[in-house]
Amino acid sequence: QKEVEQDPGPLSVPEGAIVSLNCTYSNSAFQYFMWYRQYSRKGPELLMYTYSSGNKEDGRFTAQVDKSSKYISLFIRDSQPSDSATYLCAMSAGVRSGGSNYKLTFGKGTLLTVNP
Amino acid sequence: GAVVSQHPSWVICKSGTSVKIECRSLDFQATTMFWYRQFPKQSLMLMATSNEGSKATYEQGVEKDKFLINHASLTLSTLTVTSAHPEDSSFYICSARGWGPETQYFGPGTRLLVL
Repeated sequence: QKEVEQDPGPLSVPEGAIVSLNCTYSNSAFQYFMWYRQYSRKGPELLMYTYSSGNKEDGRFTAQVDKSSKYISLFIRDSQPSDSATYLCAMSAGVRSGGSNYKLTFGKGTLLTVNP
Repeated sequence: GAVVSQHPSWVICKSGTSVKIECRSLDFQATTMFWYRQFPKQSLMLMATSNEGSKATYEQGVEKDKFLINHASLTLSTLTVTSAHPEDSSFYICSARGWGPETQYFGPGTRLLVL
């Protein structure tokens, strides 16, 4: 079993739809959870960062972490064509849990297309 | 804030030559920098982790003599691909972490093509 599982998609939705992206993980030491957006031929851009369980909202984006289920989600409301990109989940155990230098473990990424 | 730059963004070189890629944190001091490689339609593959002033830690399977990493200051790390071959052609991305427990901020990437 891989440490982080993410459905690669592709996922295609109409403009304005609510998008749900998910990752599951197996390492209970993970404490820091992130979502990155990567446009084609560009470096990943940090979208959301969450520490431990809970929800975090930023504009149209909501990140949820359920550590008991080892499951994280990213919701995008009122999706726009400019949201078309690959979304990568990433997580880290952090130094306190023995993680080294906050090394990130990534999911494979989900390719999202929002159609006008 | 938290801007990371990479230079060059694109490089084409002949087989057997060496290529140096720079990664700079522009508005923060990076205690740790990371180098990744990404193949088309695949996720990021961590190559090495470097801390300022110390030797880099390479991931299993990454040749340290081929991919030389130097982290000379808190704002600059370099990756040198030595004696490059066509199979080294890839998208190389660096990231930098600051002092807080937050996360990594990525550069825009460098596309390397070895002919």
